Amino acid sequence: SQTIHQWPATLVQPVGSPLSLECTVEGTSNPNLYWYRQAAGRGLQLLFYSVGIGQISSEVPQNLSASRPQDRQFILSSKKLLLSDSGFYLCAWSVTVYNSPLHFGNGTRLTVT
Amino acid sequence: GQQLNQSPQSMFIQEGEDVSMNCTSSSIFNTWLWYKQDPGEGPVLLIALYKAGELTSNGRLTAQFGITRKDSFLNISASIPSDVGIYFCAGRGSSNTGKLIFGQGTTLQVKP
Repeated sequence: SQTIHQWPATLVQPVGSPLSLECTVEGTSNPNLYWYRQAAGRGLQLLFYSVGIGQISSEVPQNLSASRPQDRQFILSSKKLLLSDSGFYLCAWSVTVYNSPLHFGNGTRLTVT
Repeated sequence: GQQLNQSPQSMFIQEGEDVSMNCTSSSIFNTWLWYKQDPGEGPVLLIALYKAGELTSNGRLTAQFGITRKDSFLNISASIPSDVGIYFCAGRGSSNTGKLIFGQGTTLQVKP
């Protein structure tokens, strides 16, 4: 069966520090991968999605970037965090068949101080 | 762009009561999904709908894909305390990238 792992679960970082959140998927090949941000426990905002290695599409201009160095690995990064980057970050995957549902990881709670 | 309106925003009900929530969109969707999110965790898929008019059940949960393809509802029968959480609808249009549009969520609280 397929599983998705996100880490760390929680993170407290000072303003101006770098960020690296990692997500890996097991049990499937060539998944679509997604990064979402959720503010205040409501509303999921799509940040990035990837349909293949090295292929990243950005949905919202911001202080963050994403990379997909391997087929089942998706990384969310920032060179310098802002206070507004605080939130709950969720990674998700889907098979590439059209209209397949997304499956989410357990998220990373990021607090920028 | 595509938007989803989910209502109600929150509900506070007595255990054993039935619950209904719905989503409407400004454009046609080809897929409707319903998720539940527990505090501090990622959303979990409850029901997936792929055809207009489709009615699907998962235990005490029932969801329908509206005939106009612009709406969907989720019903929970005989609510129990573990039904507490945030319920999200999500829809997908004609794009083949799999991008979903999410509603703002319905927060459900159940009083024992």
